[in-house]
Amino acid sequence: GAVVSQHPSRVICKSGTSVKIECRSLDFQATTMFWYRQFPKKSLMLMATSNEGSKATYEQGVEKDKFLINHASLTLSTLTVTSAHPEDSSFYICSASGGARGNEQFFGPGTRLTVL
Amino acid sequence: SQQGEEDPQALSIQEGENATMNCSYKTSINNLQWYRQNSGRGLVHLILIRSNEREKHSGRLRVTLDTSKKSSSLLITASRAADTASYFCATDAENTDKLIFGTGTRLQVFP
Repeated sequence: GAVVSQHPSRVICKSGTSVKIECRSLDFQATTMFWYRQFPKKSLMLMATSNEGSKATYEQGVEKDKFLINHASLTLSTLTVTSAHPEDSSFYICSASGGARGNEQFFGPGTRLTVL
Repeated sequence: SQQGEEDPQALSIQEGENATMNCSYKTSINNLQWYRQNSGRGLVHLILIRSNEREKHSGRLRVTLDTSKKSSSLLITASRAADTASYFCATDAENTDKLIFGTGTRLQVFP
């Protein structure tokens, strides 16, 4: 399958700071990237869908000013958690699809965010 | 919520036994997929079954789909300790690229 990476894999930050998480498709051009959030022992909840070069589409209940998503190239999307609070602590997973890979989503390894 | 339901939530079995997990969903679908997730890791795609298929096999995995009941099952035969993980079903909402995940089943296989 295709390779999708995330960086960092773990991040601990202080309340009030902003954290940027990168999602990269390493061996294909991803026209669409998805960002999910997963609480412990829970399922993945889609936060937003981003298409290269356009604004992200956020799911109901997800604050777009809180979770800034940029998809500036066909291989990179970033999620910035602004003014993070402890309740933002979670596991964030991205997936990528598109190009020669079609509509199948390939998932990154996830980023564990802990806000103190 | 559009999220699918899975049962059981947790399943503990001995190595060699079979494990069956069930998934129910709410909307019409084009396909249904099963994923595996080891603790604290990303998702690994296991198998995709299309809405016009009723059964699919891949190695020790057997997936069934009943669109009339909006349900699917994943059977892992001759389980191994390495199969210990969480398993999620995911459906695509018709005419979208989004995936809607089920609540997941945590499988523990004891050696």
